[in-house]
Amino acid sequence: EDKVVQSPLSLVVHEGDTVTLNCSYEVTNFRSLLWYKQEKKAPTFLFMLTSSGIEKKSGRLSSILDKKELFSILNITATQTGDSAVYLCAVDNYGQNFVFGPGTRLSVLP
Amino acid sequence: GAVVSQHPSWVICKSGTSVKIECRSLDFQATTMFWYRQFPKQSLMLMATSNEGSKATYEQGVEKDKFLINHASLTLSTLTVTSAHPEDSSFYICSAGGGDYEQYFGPGTRLTVT
Repeated sequence: EDKVVQSPLSLVVHEGDTVTLNCSYEVTNFRSLLWYKQEKKAPTFLFMLTSSGIEKKSGRLSSILDKKELFSILNITATQTGDSAVYLCAVDNYGQNFVFGPGTRLSVLP
Repeated sequence: GAVVSQHPSWVICKSGTSVKIECRSLDFQATTMFWYRQFPKQSLMLMATSNEGSKATYEQGVEKDKFLINHASLTLSTLTVTSAHPEDSSFYICSAGGGDYEQYFGPGTRLTVT
């Protein structure tokens, strides 16, 4: 059965902290792994990862994929209250379907 | 955990026909369901918010007469693409939840219009 697991499910930190969110997966036909930030409505796309070991970076956010160990991490440095959201990991199962993880709820306290 | 299913997972239809996609919350009741369209750059576009027992709220730019949404029960919402055209070919994904931050995503439905 295809599945995506995220950890932790919930995280509370203070502004300025660095956080690492984890996503592991088991799917039949991996094409890419995607990270989204969800606040109120539609998730905001963050990264798409297809190759192992290549870090993608956008401002204070970065992500990397390990296709051998079947996981990805999302790092957020110098967190801000505006980073509070649910971070979703999803795997594109080669056009057959998308498998979403349960999300990690991040709360950043001032 | 909460499970959301979609049916069908893949549908191919001819231009001009209508297609109905179902979104079901299998083990919980969802007062709100959301319909998204997946674009080639992997961003999810929110199409509409479906509330049980009331009319859906469509996002700007989404044709409500073309994308008919019905949320007749707490476990089922349907999206009907009317008079489908090739440009409607896409992945349609639904999510269901009871609160702002609690959304559970379905696996998506691939629509191919020939």
